[in-house]
Amino acid sequence: NAGVTQTPKFQVLKTGQSMTLQCAQDMNHNSMYWYRQDPGMGLRLIYYSASEGTTDKGEVPNGYNVSRLNKREFSLRLESAAPSQTSVYFCASTLQLDTQYFGPGTRLTVL
Amino acid sequence: KQEVTQIPAALSVPEGENLVLNCSFTDSAIYNLQWFRQDPGKGLTSLLLIQSSQREQTSGRLNASLDKSSGRSTLYIAASQPGDSATYLCAVMDSNYQLIWGAGTKLIIKP
Repeated sequence: NAGVTQTPKFQVLKTGQSMTLQCAQDMNHNSMYWYRQDPGMGLRLIYYSASEGTTDKGEVPNGYNVSRLNKREFSLRLESAAPSQTSVYFCASTLQLDTQYFGPGTRLTVL
Repeated sequence: KQEVTQIPAALSVPEGENLVLNCSFTDSAIYNLQWFRQDPGKGLTSLLLIQSSQREQTSGRLNASLDKSSGRSTLYIAASQPGDSATYLCAVMDSNYQLIWGAGTKLIIKP
């Protein structure tokens, strides 16, 4: 099992550009999450999907959109990147109320 | 609003010592509390999950305790090793099934 995979690992964007971060899991988990991690702060939830076909906003959803493409895949889209979105982005998945399994992260810099 | 605090932000101890990391939370209405490890530039790895009805969990040299009424958890690491050097993150699952994260404790074990 690959677990949770994320692409790309690194990305540099200019202000105003768009991009999609991809996430996939092969553990047959129902729930998937997108977090951002900034220095000196805990992880903050951007969006989550409790099950295939549903998505909900987390703590910091502004400037992002998500798509739960199927049970395996959950993508995060930045429509018009801003320097404040420079961060490390993590995808995670879980069976409900169980431990979360994390991908390796995407390090995004917006210039 | 649930808030999770981890003190200290950083800790350096000699190899072989036993140590305790602290986590506190403001709202006792939680489903579980989870401890994670994060190595530099890597994703997060789950260490221990304590259900709200439990008092402690153990895995090898690690022992985590939970006192819901006082809003505290501790992670005890016995006989520390240089390989234990990492950032340790605490998170509580709130009534909305979302994880609320502390900012972490950066642990350095000196050989």
